[in-house]
Amino acid sequence: QLQLQESGPGLVKPSETLSLACSVSGDSISSSVSYWGWIRQPPGKGLEWIGSIYESGNTYYNPSLKSRLTISVDTSKNQFSLKVISVTAADTALYYCVRGYYNFDSWGQGTLVTVSS
Amino acid sequence: DIQMTQSPSSLSASVEDRVAITCRASQSISSYLNWYQQKPGKAPNLLIYSSSSLYSGVPSRFSGSGSGTDFTLTISGLQPEDFATYYCQQSYSSPLTFGGGTKLEIK
Repeated sequence: QLQLQESGPGLVKPSETLSLACSVSGDSISSSVSYWGWIRQPPGKGLEWIGSIYESGNTYYNPSLKSRLTISVDTSKNQFSLKVISVTAADTALYYCVRGYYNFDSWGQGTLVTVSS
Repeated sequence: DIQMTQSPSSLSASVEDRVAITCRASQSISSYLNWYQQKPGKAPNLLIYSSSSLYSGVPSRFSGSGSGTDFTLTISGLQPEDFATYYCQQSYSSPLTFGGGTKLEIK
């Protein structure tokens, strides 16, 4: 059974870089014909798609975040990662890693990232 | 960007009721519409994909319909575990976007 688990700092200072990793178990990123991605949810609010990466390495980013985003895959660790540079308080959210693009059929439990000095 | 508008934003209903939640896209998205259920403190779960296809393991009391710009999620015979927030999501074009959510509460 596929499981996704986010990891990373829960507190990031304004203007710094948010870095999260998603460990995948139950499937191999390198052999799976799948998209992997990130979705976030500010406290008490709705869902925002951040971006996705295909197994080929092609990336698809939300234009609202694209200039600050990097999503990459590390097949040796069977994980993928998210980097957001120059964060502000508006980036405070629960960050989910997901499988899929046309629909998101597997989700991590989410990790709360707070941007504050 | 394609805007997704859900209505109502909140809904009160009783166990065994039949409820419908609607989702309207700002432009035609064919059948590229998915529905998710989110319970407090949990990640969303996929219920319906491609407007009307039931995801594996989802009870048959959930159904979806629609195409173009107007879509409906129907729950026939509400169960206590169905009280949650529901989101629609379009996958027709990037950026992928979600509706604002519908909170289904017990009356």
